[in-house]
Amino acid sequence: QKEVEQNSGPLSVPEGAIASLNCTYSDRGSQSFFWYRQYSGKSPELIMSIYSNGDKEDGRFTAQLNKASQYVSLLIRDSQPSDSATYLCAVNEPNDYKLSFGAGTTVTVRA
Amino acid sequence: DTGVSQDPRHKITKRGQNVTFRCDPISEHNRLYWYRQTLGQGPEFLTYFQNEAQLEKSRLLSDRFSAERPKGSFSTLEIQRTEQGDSAMYLCASSLDWESEQYFGPGTRLTVT
Repeated sequence: QKEVEQNSGPLSVPEGAIASLNCTYSDRGSQSFFWYRQYSGKSPELIMSIYSNGDKEDGRFTAQLNKASQYVSLLIRDSQPSDSATYLCAVNEPNDYKLSFGAGTTVTVRA
Repeated sequence: DTGVSQDPRHKITKRGQNVTFRCDPISEHNRLYWYRQTLGQGPEFLTYFQNEAQLEKSRLLSDRFSAERPKGSFSTLEIQRTEQGDSAMYLCASSLDWESEQYFGPGTRLTVT
């Protein structure tokens, strides 16, 4: 599996603030990028997918992809206590589509 | 879609025993994946199926592990002669095809004592 690195947490943000999560990947041939949210003791839940360079917005979430820099990020706007979770970055294996995951960044939104 | 289901949700077993887990993918999803996740780590790929064919197995999958997907529907993952190092969350995911997003089931948490 290829290397996927996420910024180490935990990340603590006040309610209403923007949480910024970063992820870098090693395989330049990767084509699909995903963000999963995982609550403690639960399984990963897909929240965003992005395939092309640029930004993709879905509600309070924005994913950003820069393939030249091998970098993908997730912004959570207007953070809520319910956003407190571990966020996993996942990258596909080129020509294969099995996923390589980062270790995750734990976000805590404090009221 | 009813989502991916897994059974059991929790399993406690003694070292040396065999265990079997079941995964039912989202209906009509052709691809089924097994991952393993330990505390503080992201899921690690174990194996996947395209319909009933097992296309790849990770080096993590020792000879004690076997997976099947008869008739391209549900899948089973069996671990023989369990070891304490097998304790983990075993996750199943499915996707419509090789380009589609993967959706995870609730997982089976295995504890080997």
